[in-house]
Amino acid sequence: AQSVTQLGSHVSVSEGALVLLRCNYSSSVPPYLFWYVQYPNQGLQLLLKYTSAATLVKGINGFEAEFKKSETSFHLTKPSAHMSDAAEYFCAVSEEVYGGSQGNLIFGKGTKLSVKP
Amino acid sequence: DAGVTQSPTHLIKTRGQQVTLRCSPKSGHDTVSWYQQALGQGPQFIFQYYEEEERQRGNFPDRFSGHQFPNYSSELNVNALLLGDSALYLCASSPLVGTWGQGNDGYTFGSGTRLTVV
Repeated sequence: AQSVTQLGSHVSVSEGALVLLRCNYSSSVPPYLFWYVQYPNQGLQLLLKYTSAATLVKGINGFEAEFKKSETSFHLTKPSAHMSDAAEYFCAVSEEVYGGSQGNLIFGKGTKLSVKP
Repeated sequence: DAGVTQSPTHLIKTRGQQVTLRCSPKSGHDTVSWYQQALGQGPQFIFQYYEEEERQRGNFPDRFSGHQFPNYSSELNVNALLLGDSALYLCASSPLVGTWGQGNDGYTFGSGTRLTVV
């Protein structure tokens, strides 16, 4: 069965510092992996996705993530945090089903990112 | 281009009551999925609808049911509400055809309906 583990329910960084949010997954087949961001009282916005092409994936707002099969990890990074990055971040895994359509998303519990001035 | 629209945004219900939440998918999307997000948790998959049929279902009781209309919009119904049903309910639409790698971003989420059961 698929699952996602996000290490650290709360991460705090200073503005301009490196952001590193950790995600480990388990899947019996090659997975599709995602990072979503959720601002207060809003839905989920896709930051980036891994779909078995390049292992280093670049997303919106300067975020990127690297797929490491040997470590079953898909950590999210950003070189320099901005105040506007404060939000909750969710890692998710999915599989292809029904001859190529998207399976449902399995989410981690989320990591709340705080950015200090 | 309108994204996913959900209504209402907030709702308060009493235990034992029934509730209906509504979702209009993004233009061009024909598949609708529903997720429940309890406070402090990640979203959990409830079910997915395509061509007015339930295609996939998560681990939720039969009190949770849905419907999809010919215009692809969808409803989520919850009967016999429990206090534990209090959560943010998210609707996500997607194109069914095409895999993740074919240039589509898959699921587009709405802003959700905040349901409080008292």
